[in-house]
Amino acid sequence: EPEVTQTPSHQVTQMGQEVILRCVPISNHLYFYWYRQILGQKVEFLVSFYNNEISEKSEIFDDQFSVERPDGSNFTLKIRSTKLEDSAMYFCASSDSVVYSNQPQHFGDGTRLSIL
Amino acid sequence: KQEVTQIPAALSVPEGENLVLNCSFTDSAIYNLQWFRQDPGKGLTSLLLIQSSQREQTSGRLNASLDKSSGRSTLYIAASQPGDSATYLCAVRNSGNTPLVFGKGTRLSVIA
Repeated sequence: EPEVTQTPSHQVTQMGQEVILRCVPISNHLYFYWYRQILGQKVEFLVSFYNNEISEKSEIFDDQFSVERPDGSNFTLKIRSTKLEDSAMYFCASSDSVVYSNQPQHFGDGTRLSIL
Repeated sequence: KQEVTQIPAALSVPEGENLVLNCSFTDSAIYNLQWFRQDPGKGLTSLLLIQSSQREQTSGRLNASLDKSSGRSTLYIAASQPGDSATYLCAVRNSGNTPLVFGKGTRLSVIA
């Protein structure tokens, strides 16, 4: 069964550095999402992406964050000037179409980001 | 603003028991509801998706029901097994292209 893959599985970075989290969504999917989960808390939406542009973003997704689909397969989340509170598990998800509404969102295994 | 609550936060049952996990949401005008399983330190595995027009969905030993008007969903697990031990998350979508809003989850332990 097709999967969403994320790399790296664990990223340790010094505060103030920039990180790029990478995702390869399922190949025929059109909608892409980033969520995060701070330890012990709910999974929170960050941003959704469709047709090469952001379709929706949450209050969390400020100027520190950006997303890109640099080629036909990858979907990246960049976090600039990382802060301690950015430490979390970051999940990428994709879905086929919202027109055919019986399609669930499929999630990757996540990248655990640790800011020191 | 949509809020999703899951009760109980944690549940421990002996192997073989049938059990019910609860999910409630504040805005009943949802598009669909999805149940996920999350193993420690791992990603989210989609278990069942219920559209707003549906009352229930079944997959193997899992059955999810939806009562949209009362803002509730339940996940029924029959004949629980130790391998079912995980955190179960409920998430709702308010319209076709909006993101999922998650509950905090129920951490299930099935004791052999």
